[in-house]
Amino acid sequence: AQSVTQLGSHVSVSEGALVLLRCNYSSSVPPYLFWYVQYPNQGLQLLLKYTTGATLVKGINGFEAEFKKSETSFHLTKPSAHMSDAAEYFCAVSLYGNNRLAFGKGNQVVVIP
Amino acid sequence: EAGVTQFPSHSVIEKGQTVTLRCDPISGHDNLYWYRRVMGKEIKFLLHFVKESKQDESGMPNNRFLAERTGGTYSTLKVQPAELEDSGVYFCASSQDGGPYEQYFGPGTRLTVT
Repeated sequence: AQSVTQLGSHVSVSEGALVLLRCNYSSSVPPYLFWYVQYPNQGLQLLLKYTTGATLVKGINGFEAEFKKSETSFHLTKPSAHMSDAAEYFCAVSLYGNNRLAFGKGNQVVVIP
Repeated sequence: EAGVTQFPSHSVIEKGQTVTLRCDPISGHDNLYWYRRVMGKEIKFLLHFVKESKQDESGMPNNRFLAERTGGTYSTLKVQPAELEDSGVYFCASSQDGGPYEQYFGPGTRLTVT
């Protein structure tokens, strides 16, 4: 069974600073990898995903993530945080042939002016 | 295009009562999923419908939970009788096809069992 680790339930970042959210997974085979974001009172929205091909994936709102198989990681970054980035971020994985997503515990991001 | 909708947004019930949650997926999406997030824990998969058939219900916690999807359209998740540990946020998601396609999530139903 796959599992996902996101460290640090709450992450504070200054406006304009780098956003870095770490995600590590455990899986016997390379999974499909996702980052979702949840804004208050809304559903989860897909930021980006990795399935195959280029390991550096660009998503919406200036976010990107890099799949590193050797490190079993899929860290999310954004060069410059904006106040509108305040939200909860979830890393998730699924295996080929299996649609269900396995989520990490999430990171609540607070952007400090 | 309307997104995934869920009703109610909040529900507070007493232990032993019954609650039914509803999910309306995006029109044309054959795949419908239910997930649950208990406070302080990760979001966990409950089950997956393809049209009206249960494709995977391995995440259902016990037989107090019953999910249906009438005619392959909307879905209901009934909890009967509710227990305190059933409290949490129940999310519904839908996707157009299987595989690693984007699952579109609803805003969730917050269930509180007292």
